[in-house]
Amino acid sequence: AQSVSQHNHHVILSEAASLELGCNYSYGGTVNLFWYVQYPGQHLQLLLKYFSGDPLVKGIKGFEAEFIKSKFSFNLRKPSVQWSDTAEYFCAVNPRGTGTASKLTFGTGTRLQVTL
Amino acid sequence: KAGVTQTPRYLIKTRGQQVTLSCSPISGHRSVSWYQQTPGQGLQFLFEYFSETQRNKGNFPGRFSGRQFSNSRSEMNVSTLELGDSALYLCASSFGGFGADHTEAFFGQGTRLTVV
Repeated sequence: AQSVSQHNHHVILSEAASLELGCNYSYGGTVNLFWYVQYPGQHLQLLLKYFSGDPLVKGIKGFEAEFIKSKFSFNLRKPSVQWSDTAEYFCAVNPRGTGTASKLTFGTGTRLQVTL
Repeated sequence: KAGVTQTPRYLIKTRGQQVTLSCSPISGHRSVSWYQQTPGQGLQFLFEYFSETQRNKGNFPGRFSGRQFSNSRSEMNVSTLELGDSALYLCASSFGGFGADHTEAFFGQGTRLTVV
């Protein structure tokens, strides 16, 4: 069975600071990788996704993530955070070959708090 | 186009009762998955339905069940409610057909169930 680890549980940054959230997964086969964001009171929204190809993927709102296969990692980055980025961030994996995009294994989430 | 709709948004039930939650997926999506989100366990996969059949299942007791109708709408039922079933239940909608491995899941706002 696959598992996902997010090492940062709660991160506090000042506006304009750079962000990097770690995500490591454990799975013997090929996976699709995702970052979802949950703003307070809102539903989970897809930030970005990686299926194949260029390991550096760009998502919405200036976020990007890099897939490093040898490290089983998919870290999320943003050069300059804004107060509106305050939210909870979830890394998730979906094994290939299951025939579905909806059998996701999530990390425990990282709560990001951006201060003015 | 309309997103994933879950009803009701909030529920309060008593221990021992049963509850039914509803999810309407995005038009054209045939896969519906259910997740339980709690502060302690995070987001956990319950099951996935595709074309009215349960296709994948997580590690939850048999008290948790679901079904899918011909219009892809899905219901989740929890019988003999326990205090520990208090959680946010999320529904995810995805394409589900051929090539589904290269698509993503879209989430509803969830149903917050409180068991007292």
